[in-house]
Amino acid sequence: KQEVTQIPAALSVPEGENLVLNCSFTDSAIYNLQWFRQDPGKGLTSLLLIQSSQREQTSGRLNASLDKSSGRSTLYIAASQPGDSATYLCADQLTGNTGKLIFGQGTTLQVKP
Amino acid sequence: DTAVSQTPKYLVTQMGNDKSIKCEQNLGHDTMYWYKQDSKKFLKIMFSYNNKELIINETVPNRFSPKSPDKAHLNLHINSLELGDSAVYFCASSRQGGREQFFGPGTRLTVL
Repeated sequence: KQEVTQIPAALSVPEGENLVLNCSFTDSAIYNLQWFRQDPGKGLTSLLLIQSSQREQTSGRLNASLDKSSGRSTLYIAASQPGDSATYLCADQLTGNTGKLIFGQGTTLQVKP
Repeated sequence: DTAVSQTPKYLVTQMGNDKSIKCEQNLGHDTMYWYKQDSKKFLKIMFSYNNKELIINETVPNRFSPKSPDKAHLNLHINSLELGDSAVYFCASSRQGGREQFFGPGTRLTVL
């Protein structure tokens, strides 16, 4: 049974700092891994999708990496801003193309001005 | 242009009632999903439809019945609502199973 874990549960950093959010999974037979952002009371916004054959994906100040052998993914946020404050969720899909996303519990990030 | 939309945004109802949540996507996707986010913010899949065919049916009480009239719509009907059904329900869609998923804004259901 796939389990996805995100540590830490909460993180507070000063504006401008570079930071890394961690995501680990127990079954390495993943099809892809997706990072989302959720603002309070809002839906999920897709940030990055990494296919199992890829090592990393970049979008603006965000960079996501994937290491299937160690069962880990990281989301790197460069030069953090107060507007980055939100909950970040990682979710993976196991091989099989069913589309079933298995979510971690999320990391709530606060970037202080 | 709203990609994945849900109605209503908020739903407050009494125990025992029957209610429906509607979802529509204008992305041209052929796979749609329902997820439940509980009070601890944990998200879990409930159902998935591909081209109006049920693909995923997790261990969800049979009081929950999804209906897909066409590829762009996936509705969720809940019978005999219970207190434990209170949660935020998210609809999502993707081009096909296994692709990037896009989520709706959620429907916050409160059962009194």
